[in-house]
Amino acid sequence: DTGVSQNPRHKITKRGQNVTFRCDPISEHNRLYWYRQTLGQGPEFLTYFQNEAQLEKSRLLSDRFSAERPKGSFSTLEIQRTEQGDSAMYLCASSPRRTGGGEQFFGPGTRLTVL
Amino acid sequence: DAKTTQPNSMESNEEEPVHLPCNHSTISGTDYIHWYRQLPSQGPEYVIHGLTSNVNNRMASLAIAEDRKSSTLILHRATLRDAAVYYCILSPHLLGGTSYGKLTFGQGTILTVHP
Repeated sequence: DTGVSQNPRHKITKRGQNVTFRCDPISEHNRLYWYRQTLGQGPEFLTYFQNEAQLEKSRLLSDRFSAERPKGSFSTLEIQRTEQGDSAMYLCASSPRRTGGGEQFFGPGTRLTVL
Repeated sequence: DAKTTQPNSMESNEEEPVHLPCNHSTISGTDYIHWYRQLPSQGPEYVIHGLTSNVNNRMASLAIAEDRKSSTLILHRATLRDAAVYYCILSPHLLGGTSYGKLTFGQGTILTVHP
């Protein structure tokens, strides 16, 4: 399977715990994006990387959220001190250099439930 | 970000054409029009995008109004697999076609396809 992969697919945690999600983009895609989607809503942009550089962060990304892409390949999204409002689907997408971001390929998402 | 307006829902019969409208009256000259769709329990999937001219690919056609204030996604023969939420998104691009990166999703149109 050469698509975008995300792990874990599901995560249940207790309020106040830290969680980390991983995204593996399509090989050689230089751009990587994180989005969050709550039930009945469209995905909301969180942040994106071009290679290892984080180029934009949404105001939605509070200081409890941090994302990294240390070697320009996979990325991690960490949420510290989780709150019930963090419960959502976290989506990762990547795009190749040739399209400049016009076509993004999404992974299946990680569903987070905060109890 | 320029906004788009789509009907909340539409219905179609299998093997019939579907025309999904999108209004974007505040579109700027550098905005590309993107369409994505999201099948149940999956991440969004790129469908098509364009700037001024009508576009065709294996999945669909995109018809763009001459003033660019509206567009229509055309599925030529709907199948049950086309039942999804369809999102019309404006994405600003730099000169040369490189996008700024993030996609701003709205509520989308829920398409129901009847056998």
